Amino acid sequence: GPKVLQIPSHQIIDMGQMVTLNCDPVSNHLYFYWYKQILGQQMEFLVNFYNGKVMEKSKLFKDQFSVERPDGSYFTLKIQPTALEDSAVYFCASSLRTTNTEVFFGKGTRLTVV
Amino acid sequence: QQQVRQSPQSLTVWEGETAILNCSYEDSTFDYFPWYWQFPRESPALLIAIRPVSNKKEDGRFTIFFNKREKKLSLHITDSQPGDSATYFCAASEDTGGLSGKLTFGEGTQVTVIS
Repeated sequence: GPKVLQIPSHQIIDMGQMVTLNCDPVSNHLYFYWYKQILGQQMEFLVNFYNGKVMEKSKLFKDQFSVERPDGSYFTLKIQPTALEDSAVYFCASSLRTTNTEVFFGKGTRLTVV
Repeated sequence: QQQVRQSPQSLTVWEGETAILNCSYEDSTFDYFPWYWQFPRESPALLIAIRPVSNKKEDGRFTIFFNKREKKLSLHITDSQPGDSATYFCAASEDTGGLSGKLTFGEGTQVTVIS
């Protein structure tokens, strides 16, 4: 079936540094999402991106976070600067529509901030 | 505020038994409830979903029972197989009129089927 690919699967970074998480969504999908999952907790919505713009973001999407998809390439989540509490698994997802449609998820990128 | 809750946190059943996973929600505007399952080192994947116009949705050995009045739903896995061992997530969204497609997830139930 359709696949969402996330690169890398695991990244370790020093606190205060910048990190970019990359996502290759399903090719014909139009809506892109990032979710955050802290160990032992549920996945929580961060942001939705469509047509080059953020559609909705949660309170977890701090000012240090940004998303973009330049020229239809990777959909990225950038955190600058990183903080210890940013350590989590970040899941990218994509869908064709926002209603009556399946959302496809990647395997996640485990980010460890030290 | 945790809007979608799941229980139990983990569940172990023998092969052939029925596993029952519970989910409850708070927001009355939720109108789409997908269940996702996730195997170790794999992506969460859609298993089955229901909308409040129905109180039951069946797909093979997987059945969702939905109680709109009590804001509760459950996933029944009949004739459980070892290959069903996974983490199951209940989710909810405002499907009709929702602009963002945002899913609100529960904490997950880890199911282990012993043969």
